[in-house]
Amino acid sequence: DAGVTQSPTHLIKTRGQQVTLRCSPKSGHDTVSWYQQALGQGPQFIFQYYEEEERQRGNFPDRFSGHQFPNYSSELNVNALLLGDSALYLCASSTPDSIDTQYFGPGTRLTVL
Amino acid sequence: QKEVEQNSGPLSVPEGAIASLNCTYSDRGSQSFFWYRQYSGKSPELIMFIYSNGDKEDGRFTAQLNKASQYVSLLIRDSQPSDSATYLCAVKGTGGYNKLIFGAGTRLAVHP
Repeated sequence: DAGVTQSPTHLIKTRGQQVTLRCSPKSGHDTVSWYQQALGQGPQFIFQYYEEEERQRGNFPDRFSGHQFPNYSSELNVNALLLGDSALYLCASSTPDSIDTQYFGPGTRLTVL
Repeated sequence: QKEVEQNSGPLSVPEGAIASLNCTYSDRGSQSFFWYRQYSGKSPELIMFIYSNGDKEDGRFTAQLNKASQYVSLLIRDSQPSDSATYLCAVKGTGGYNKLIFGAGTRLAVHP
C-alpha cells in the first residue's frame, strides 16, 4: 500500500517565478492538507482540500493556491515567488474515519534564489 | 503568545535513560494532541496521539495530557541513539476540520 507521495523531491526557482507541487494521498484517503515548514520551524498550515474544494485556509497570501482532482490528488501553486518561500512543503492526507490523524508525504524542498 | 510552545533544546540524554519532552498550548478548547518525530531532512512521522486526560502508553512511548494545565508531554523510555530526532507537538485547531497547529519542535540527542 503506497503512502503519501509528492513530486518533485527538490526544486530550485528564482524570485518572481511560479511553481506547482504535486501530491497523491494514501490509498483510501480523501482529504489533503498542505503545510510549509521553514528551516528550524514546525510545519505551518496552508490549506486543506476535501471533495475538490478548499475548506480551510491558514494565514498565507493569495499567491498560494491549490486544487484537488477527482482522484483526490492535489496541487499547490505558488506565484511570484519570494526568497522567504524557500521551505519544505509537506502534503498530508487523512481518512474520513480518522480525520484526526494525518500522514505526511516526504515533502518537496523548494529553494528560491 | 505562540499557540503551541516547545523548548527547542537540544535535550541531551544518555542511552537507556528516560527522555521527557514537554509542550504547552494556548487554546483551552483544544481536544486532540499529537506527537510527531522528524529526522533531519525527512518528513514528520506520527508516533502518538492522545485525546483524554491522563497517560497513554505505546511501547517505549508514553503521552501525558493535562487539559487543566494545557500541557502535553512525551516520555521515551530506554532511549536509543536512533531516537535522536526533532519531536513536534501538534494540536488540532478548534472550529472543525483537522488543521494541525505545530510547535517548533524539540531536538533530542541520545548519546551512547
